Amino acid sequence: GQNIDQPTEMTATEGAIVQINCTYQTSGFNGLFWYQQHAGEAPTFLSYNVLDGLEEKGRFSSFLSRSKGYSYLLLKELQMKDSASYLCAVKGAGSYQLTFGKGTKLSVIP
Amino acid sequence: SQTIHQWPATLVQPVGSPLSLECTVEGTSNPNLYWYRQAAGRGLQLLFYSVGIGQISSEVPQNLSASRPQDRQFILSSKKLLLSDSGFYLCAWTRTSGTDTQYFGPGTRLTVL
Repeated sequence: GQNIDQPTEMTATEGAIVQINCTYQTSGFNGLFWYQQHAGEAPTFLSYNVLDGLEEKGRFSSFLSRSKGYSYLLLKELQMKDSASYLCAVKGAGSYQLTFGKGTKLSVIP
Repeated sequence: SQTIHQWPATLVQPVGSPLSLECTVEGTSNPNLYWYRQAAGRGLQLLFYSVGIGQISSEVPQNLSASRPQDRQFILSSKKLLLSDSGFYLCAWTRTSGTDTQYFGPGTRLTVL
């Protein structure tokens, strides 16, 4: 089976940097995804990691360590519009499916 | 470019009534299609997925069913809704090759009273 853990809630200050962690235990691994979901809206794709290391995309970066079953999403220069839930999802080997964590609700305060 | 549509956007239905939610994808062919439910305060739960016309895999036994009558159309149905069916229903698609990034439709918010 698959198990994905991420913190339930986090608070950070506008302009700061925040790191959202995700740990997973899966039967096989074929990629890790991060999605952003604003309240009442659908998730939108942020990043994809399949190899170890850091993927940078503007203010957002995502890191993966397959040996540790660990990923993080790094958000720099936080803006109020970054207040949202951030979902970690893992794709198992040979699977069509993604298994989602319950999400981390990030609140950005002035 | 590819777009995904869902309707209706919101729905309020009485317990015991039927349900039909529709999802369509434009700008791609032979996508994999998925139905998820997101209940309040809970994560995304995969309900069904389809890799082709008429091919449906069910992940959670319940009173819901899915059908794929056309390549880019995916329908979620129920004959009799339960209170526990309330939630945010999301349709998603992926290409049949590549990173398998899932792209979500705007969702349908269903309230069963």
